[in-house]
Amino acid sequence: GESVGLHLPTLSVQEGDNSIINCAYSNSASDYFIWYKQESGKGPQFIIDIRSNMDKRQGQRVTVLLNKTVKHLSLQIAATQPGDSAVYFCAESTGGGNKLTFGTGTQLKVEL
Amino acid sequence: NAGVMQNPRHLVRRRGQEARLRCSPMKGHSHVYWYRQLPEEGLKFMVYLQKENIIDESGMPKERFSAEFPKEGPSILRIQQVVRGDSAAYFCASSPLGIQGPLTYGYTFGSGTRLTVV
Repeated sequence: GESVGLHLPTLSVQEGDNSIINCAYSNSASDYFIWYKQESGKGPQFIIDIRSNMDKRQGQRVTVLLNKTVKHLSLQIAATQPGDSAVYFCAESTGGGNKLTFGTGTQLKVEL
Repeated sequence: NAGVMQNPRHLVRRRGQEARLRCSPMKGHSHVYWYRQLPEEGLKFMVYLQKENIIDESGMPKERFSAEFPKEGPSILRIQQVVRGDSAAYFCASSPLGIQGPLTYGYTFGSGTRLTVV
């Protein structure tokens, strides 16, 4: 079936380094993608989104890249900080719909 | 403007009991979504509701689970005769616009209810 998945379950980076979290999706009809951050005991927090008519979008310290050819999504975090430590999920939807399909998640650990 | 409010934060039920999870959407939001998260997994869509209507329940188990969003009051996710496999975190999200609106417009999650079945 269709799915959204992440390549790396755990990513450890040094404080100040850049982080790259990857996500693969298999539903070619997906046209909207979101990255969420989830801290322990909390709900998912919106980070950044991108539509399929774009290949890059930048926010504050974060950039999302979309490669539709290989169905790949990535989240780049610049100058990673201890407060960035969390689990990061990619999610996708189809046709501007209201149902999100989440990936399994990547645990980002920032080492001092 | 309070965020999406879920209660209780933690709920313990014995096998066979009923669990009732409540979700109050953000002010001005008339669309509610329920997701379930098993340990170390992503969230799985369960149901999408508008006031007094179930729009999409494709992720709801066929038995024991039901959801409602009455004209007045919070949305309720009800699990009857709970089993240990129902132990999970249940998250609610709300948005002001539904299928005709952009998904980016205020799709906000609550902090979840952690259900433990003993």
